[in-house]
Amino acid sequence: QKEVEQDPGPLSVPEGAIVSLNCTYSNSAFQYFMWYRQYSRKGPELLMYTYSSGNKEDGRFTAQVDKSSKYISLFIRDSQPSDSATYLCASHTGGFKTIFGAGTRLFVKA
Amino acid sequence: ETGVTQSPTHLIKTRGQQVTLRCSSQSGHNTVSWYQQALGQGPQFIFQYYREEENGRGNFPPRFSGLQFPNYSSELNVNALELDDSALYLCASTAGTWTGELFFGEGSRLTVL
Repeated sequence: QKEVEQDPGPLSVPEGAIVSLNCTYSNSAFQYFMWYRQYSRKGPELLMYTYSSGNKEDGRFTAQVDKSSKYISLFIRDSQPSDSATYLCASHTGGFKTIFGAGTRLFVKA
Repeated sequence: ETGVTQSPTHLIKTRGQQVTLRCSSQSGHNTVSWYQQALGQGPQFIFQYYREEENGRGNFPPRFSGLQFPNYSSELNVNALELDDSALYLCASTAGTWTGELFFGEGSRLTVL
């Protein structure tokens, strides 16, 4: 079993839709949860960063962590074609190694 | 502020050869981590270098090795290349060993034939 599981998609939505991206994890020691965005032929860039359970909002993006169910979510409101990318969820325990999910490919159609 | 830069961007090798990939860390960052990203997969941690020493290693064989230099730049060396080594190799730098936020370069895409 992978430590972080993520549906690879692809997920295709019309412009303006609300997008929900989800991951599950198995390691109870994970304390830090991240979402990275990776455009084609680019390196990942950090989008959202949360500690422990709860919600965090940044503009059109909301990250949720439910440690009781080991569930990580990212919501994108009013999705734009420029949001088309691969979204990687990631976790770590506070050490040197970040564990990534496989990534979900998102396509937002104009 | 200069970001993370990697070279070369693309390269093709044959099975059994050796390859060296290079990374310059972001200004002010003293720690470099290397990740392997196979097609359709997320990045997998190879190792981290801090103060020119390997600080942690993932589940990769010894033929994957690295160096960090006094200016914090780094190299990833892979010996005896195998077909499964074909991947995007990502370098990430951080200020310190705690990987709060990884700042990635654009990667080196290695194809092994």
